[in-house]
Amino acid sequence: NAGVTQTPKFRVLKTGQSMTLLCAQDMNHEYMYWYRQDPGMGLRLIHYSVGEGTTAKGEVPDGYNVSRLKKQNFLLGLESAAPSQTSVYFCASSYPGGAYTEAFFGQGTRLTVV
Amino acid sequence: AQSVTQLDSHVSVSEGTPVLLRCNYSSSYSPSLFWYVQHPNKGLQLLLKYTSAATLVKGINGFEAEFKKSETSFHLTKPSAHMSDAAEYFCVVSDPAGGYNKLIFGAGTRLAVHP
Repeated sequence: NAGVTQTPKFRVLKTGQSMTLLCAQDMNHEYMYWYRQDPGMGLRLIHYSVGEGTTAKGEVPDGYNVSRLKKQNFLLGLESAAPSQTSVYFCASSYPGGAYTEAFFGQGTRLTVV
Repeated sequence: AQSVTQLDSHVSVSEGTPVLLRCNYSSSYSPSLFWYVQHPNKGLQLLLKYTSAATLVKGINGFEAEFKKSETSFHLTKPSAHMSDAAEYFCVVSDPAGGYNKLIFGAGTRLAVHP
């Protein structure tokens, strides 16, 4: 049972380069999320999706784009990477079960922009 | 607006001694609260959640948390720390107002356990 799988696990980018982070879940969850984790700030929501073909902005969406073409996949894109985007990125998924529904997280992608 | 404050950024205990990780929340209505744990270089794992069924919530690995509405607190405890408990812990409140399961994270508490 894989759960939530993120690809890649580590990446180093040069400023201005682009890349896509892939998130795949096998739990048939409707909701998917992308977070970034920075020291002393907990996790902050970048973008989320409440279903296939839908996306919406979270707290810190600038510099990122997302797509949800298939229910099981949620892609996070960086068009022109900046050093401020150095972070650990987490994907999560959940059922649309209301406030008591927990989210399931991937193992994270550590991105360094130099 | 909902928010959580984790009162300690670092906690250090000796193996076999009690653990207390403090969390206060702010909510305009009955909150949904969670504790997640993150072991080094791992994803986040749910420890326990408060669903209003009981104020004392038991989780995995011997952890529990007590919801105290009068104190707006949801502190995490464990009677006896184990070396494997060394990790970062996040207190989280869920805000359903946006039409999705918006999770609001505290800044985290890093727990160190010494032999």
